[in-house]
Amino acid sequence: SQQGEEDPQALSIQEGENATMNCSYKTSINNLQWYRQNSGRGLVHLILIRSNEREKHSGRLRVTLDTSKKSSSLLITASRAADTASYFCATPTSNTGKLIFGQGTTLQVKP
Amino acid sequence: SQTIHQWPATLVQPVGSPLSLECTVEGTSNPNLYWYRQAAGRGLQLLFYSVGIGQISSEVPQNLSASRPQDRQFILSSKKLLLSDSGFYLCAWSADSEEKLFFGSGTQLSVL
Repeated sequence: SQQGEEDPQALSIQEGENATMNCSYKTSINNLQWYRQNSGRGLVHLILIRSNEREKHSGRLRVTLDTSKKSSSLLITASRAADTASYFCATPTSNTGKLIFGQGTTLQVKP
Repeated sequence: SQTIHQWPATLVQPVGSPLSLECTVEGTSNPNLYWYRQAAGRGLQLLFYSVGIGQISSEVPQNLSASRPQDRQFILSSKKLLLSDSGFYLCAWSADSEEKLFFGSGTQLSVL
């Protein structure tokens, strides 16, 4: 069963603009993770936010977590063409800890 | 530093043929190991995971099997491939459950 679901499915913006992607999940979690995937490649871990954290930054990335709404957002500021990729959120299942991934948001940044 | 190797990068196989995809991890011991499959333009489906040698958990009933003959080696196999086995297969490892995954570069499997 799907744990995390991203929104929107696709996003197209101009270079320099900010990109915001959202993730909703269903059950209680200990952490939520965001990954990036360039076309035809493996996923790369971007950031992990724990359930007792509300916001976390890493370079141009900002992740928020609202456990009351069971949702998270990933903000990429001042986007670049190189940010073009698919972005996935992932959450561990409550009983086994295995990561379950959402369907992803495909981001296109136009130069 | 830790690295993960997955091969081959691409594979074209006829229906009914066997399959063997291999994944190895270097620079760490007793990793958790995972096989995921990704359909075109979709999310990842967890197929198998392993917390130790010979310990394999299957997530979905399917035509595939996995083995872990050594601590840092994970193999995905099939005796007879189906058309529906086509997809992008990703191996990954983590130091512990719930922690971040490190992915291999993937294998694009086309069953014709």
